[in-house]
Amino acid sequence: NAGVIQTPRHKVTGKGQEATLWCEPISGHSAVFWYRQTIVQGLEFLTYFRNQAPIDDSGMPKERFSAQMPNQSHSTLKIQSTQPQDSAVYLCASSLDMGGAGQNTLYFGAGTRLSVL
Amino acid sequence: AQKVTQTQTSISVMEKTTVTMDCVYETQDSSYFLFWYKQTASGEIVFLIRQDSYKKENATVGHYSLNFQKPKSSIGLIITATQIEDSAVYFCAMRELTGNTGKLIFGLGTTLQVQP
Repeated sequence: NAGVIQTPRHKVTGKGQEATLWCEPISGHSAVFWYRQTIVQGLEFLTYFRNQAPIDDSGMPKERFSAQMPNQSHSTLKIQSTQPQDSAVYLCASSLDMGGAGQNTLYFGAGTRLSVL
Repeated sequence: AQKVTQTQTSISVMEKTTVTMDCVYETQDSSYFLFWYKQTASGEIVFLIRQDSYKKENATVGHYSLNFQKPKSSIGLIITATQIEDSAVYFCAMRELTGNTGKLIFGLGTTLQVQP
C-alpha cells in the first residue's frame, strides 16, 4: 500500500496563474479530505468527498478554489488566479467510509507545497 | 461551533522522561471523537491515538496514553519513556458525530523537543 499520493510535491506559480494539485487516495478508501497548512492558521479544513460526492466544502474560499473527485482513484484541488496568500502546504487525506461512525482514522499524504510569487 | 485549543506552543524534555501535552476542545455534540496526530520534521502526519467520547477508559497505544477529562473538555496526551525520535509537532483534533460531515478540526499544535 503506497499510502496517499500527492503530486506535485512542490509547485511554484506566478501571481494570477492557475494551480492544480492532485491526490490519489489509498485504494479502498471512500472518504477524501483536503486541508491547507500554514504557520499562522495551522491545519485548515477545506473540503471533503465521500464516494466521490462532495459532502462538505465549508472551508473552501468560494471564489477561486474548486475541488473535484471524478473517480475513486483521484481528486484535484484547483486554485485559479493564485495569490501570494495562497502559499501553503496543501494536504490530502483519505479514510475508510465515514458512515455514521465518525471515528475512522485519516491517512495523510505528504502534501504539496505551493509557493505563489 | 467546534474548536480545539493547544495552549503549549513548545515543550522540551530530557530523553526517557514522561511528557504531557494539553488540549481542550469545545463542542455542542454529546458524541464526538478526539485524536492525536504527530507531524515529523519531514512533514509526514501520522495518526497516534483516539478517544471516543462515550468511553470512560483512557485510550492507550504503546507509549502513548490519553488523559480524558470530559467535564473539563480536556484530552491530554501522555508520552512515557520519551525517545529522541518523538521530537515532532503534535496535533490534537476533534470530529463531531452530528451532521456526519467527517470534518476533523485541529489545534495549532505543540512542538516537542526531546533532548539527549
